[in-house]
Amino acid sequence: EPEVTQTPSHQVTQMGQEVILRCVPISNHLYFYWYRQILGQKVEFLVSFYNNEISEKSEIFDDQFSVERPDGSNFTLKIRSTKLEDSAMYFCATDREGYGYTFGSGTRLTIV
Amino acid sequence: AQSVTQPDIHITVSEGASLELRCNYSYGATPYLFWYVQSPGQGLQLLLKYFSGDTLVQGIKGFEAEFKRSQSSFNLRKPSVHWSDAAEYFCAVGGLTGGGNKLTFGTGTQLKVEL
Repeated sequence: EPEVTQTPSHQVTQMGQEVILRCVPISNHLYFYWYRQILGQKVEFLVSFYNNEISEKSEIFDDQFSVERPDGSNFTLKIRSTKLEDSAMYFCATDREGYGYTFGSGTRLTIV
Repeated sequence: AQSVTQPDIHITVSEGASLELRCNYSYGATPYLFWYVQSPGQGLQLLLKYFSGDTLVQGIKGFEAEFKRSQSSFNLRKPSVHWSDAAEYFCAVGGLTGGGNKLTFGTGTQLKVEL
């Protein structure tokens, strides 16, 4: 069964540094998403991406965050000037028009 | 705005007993409904989903869920729980828009199974 691959599985970054989380979507999926889950809390939507542009973003997704598909295969989430409260599990998900929603296994980001 | 309520934060059942996890949603159009399971430190595994058609949906690991539009509910059931079912369960609602299918998750129900 096709999988969404996320790298790295764990990332420790110093506060104030930039971090890039990577995702390889399922090849025939058209919609891409990032979600996050702070430890012990629910999964929260960050952003959706379709046709090479952001289609929707939450209030969490401020100017500190950005997404792109730099090479047509990878889908990345960049967090600039990280803060302690950015520590969370970040999930990439891809979707084939609502019928094939699949999550990756996540990247655990720890800001120290 | 879409929302999901999982009223039970923690549930404890004995192994072999039946299970029902409650989920109520709010969504302005036809919802897409999902149940996911998450073991500690792990990712989200899809148990089942409802898009349309038969309101009783069968999933993996012997789980099923019933969509009741009149009650805005999508409760998850299992007739006989196994110790390995101990995990956190999340209900989610979404729906197609021009930009995709944003999911809104509930706060989760932590299931403990007593041997």
